[in-house]
Amino acid sequence: SSELTQDPAVSVALGQTVRITCQGDSLRSYYASWYQQKPGQAPVLVIYGKNNRPSGIPDRFSGSSSGNTASLTITGAQAEDEADYYCNSRDSSGNRHVVFGGGTKLTVL
Amino acid sequence: QVQLQQWGAGLLKPSETLSLTCAVYGGSFSGYYWSWIRQPPGKGLEWIGEINHSGSTNYNPSLKSRVTISVDTSKNQFSLKLSSVTAADTAVYYCARGHIVVVTAIQMVNYYFDYWGQGTLVTVSS
Repeated sequence: SSELTQDPAVSVALGQTVRITCQGDSLRSYYASWYQQKPGQAPVLVIYGKNNRPSGIPDRFSGSSSGNTASLTITGAQAEDEADYYCNSRDSSGNRHVVFGGGTKLTVL
Repeated sequence: QVQLQQWGAGLLKPSETLSLTCAVYGGSFSGYYWSWIRQPPGKGLEWIGEINHSGSTNYNPSLKSRVTISVDTSKNQFSLKLSSVTAADTAVYYCARGHIVVVTAIQMVNYYFDYWGQGTLVTVSS
């Protein structure tokens, strides 16, 4: 399958923990990567691989995966975490096409 | 520090050809997949296609008939051409570096875009 499914919107109270999920058959072979996008800005990689953060990404961001589901967890969400989050991988059917989830709008209350 | 800088025409008429170029500064040009990704206003990200340093391409099937991605390794640049544009092609277009790492021991693959261009808004209007 070439689809990645995300919940359209999630909300979290300031300082609480939130999990954003991404489902797709390709995630059994590919780790999901996660991107944060704020209005008017290019996406920024926040998690890749099993649970890797690029330099400069706060350690409150973490990733995990199980079967066909990948999760991005923000522990102690901050106001500046309010953004759209996209997951991404490659299609595992052999055509090597790249796929993105539809995105999750995170609101920090 | 790797930087991707992109440019191209921002206003097109229907049926014209979109043309964008992305220059890569810093880091190696080989060993990566160089992609174009677009985002229509208010919508999600859509992968257009990719090319590697040797010129091997891979396109989104939904756009394949209209897309050409090329590379100029002498300048560390890659380019996108999208023909016969319509209003549906109005979007912010991004170039990005794709990085792939195979974790052989557990038969999993890391694939991610670690650097992105600044984005170019392309509007198609008569």
